[in-house]
Amino acid sequence: KQEVTQIPAALSVPEGENLVLNCSFTDSAIYNLQWFRQDPGKGLTSLLLIQSSQREQTSGRLNASLDKSSGRSTLYIAASQPGDSATYLCVANAGKSTFGDGTTLTVKP
Amino acid sequence: GAVVSQHPSWVICKSGTSVKIECRSLDFQATTMFWYRQFPKQSLMLMATSNEGSKATYEQGVEKDKFLINHASLTLSTLTVTSAHPEDSSFYICSASPAVTDTQYFGPGTRLTVL
Repeated sequence: KQEVTQIPAALSVPEGENLVLNCSFTDSAIYNLQWFRQDPGKGLTSLLLIQSSQREQTSGRLNASLDKSSGRSTLYIAASQPGDSATYLCVANAGKSTFGDGTTLTVKP
Repeated sequence: GAVVSQHPSWVICKSGTSVKIECRSLDFQATTMFWYRQFPKQSLMLMATSNEGSKATYEQGVEKDKFLINHASLTLSTLTVTSAHPEDSSFYICSASPAVTDTQYFGPGTRLTVL
């Protein structure tokens, strides 16, 4: 059974700081890995998708990496802004999706 | 990109009533859709896999007689919460994909509150 773990559970940083969110998964037989953000009381916003054959994806200030062999993915956020404050979810897709518990990020002005 | 819609976006009902939530893939066909729920301050947990033309597959601990799933067509799956109770209050999200190896597209979610 796939298990997805996200570290840290919560993170608070000052505005402008670069940061890394970590995700690990136990079963490397995945099709792809997605990163989402979720604002309080809201649905999911897709950030980045990395196919199993890819190593990384970039979108604006976000960069996600994938190391299938070690079962790890990271989400790098550059020059963080208060608007980045949200819960970030890592999802391992192997037909059905397994979610991590998320990292709640607070960026202080 | 592909779009998945859910209806309603929120619903409040009395205890003992049944509530139906629809999940539609708007611009692609999906033989399989997934239903998740999220309790406050927790992550999303898979409830069941909805298969077009056949019975849904439920995860351990999810009551199939309480959460009825119907995948009537390649673009529509419905989740009916029967005899809802306050403990069923949650955020329900569906997802679908054009192919099993493709990205999962998630609906916007339905917030259910049972009084």
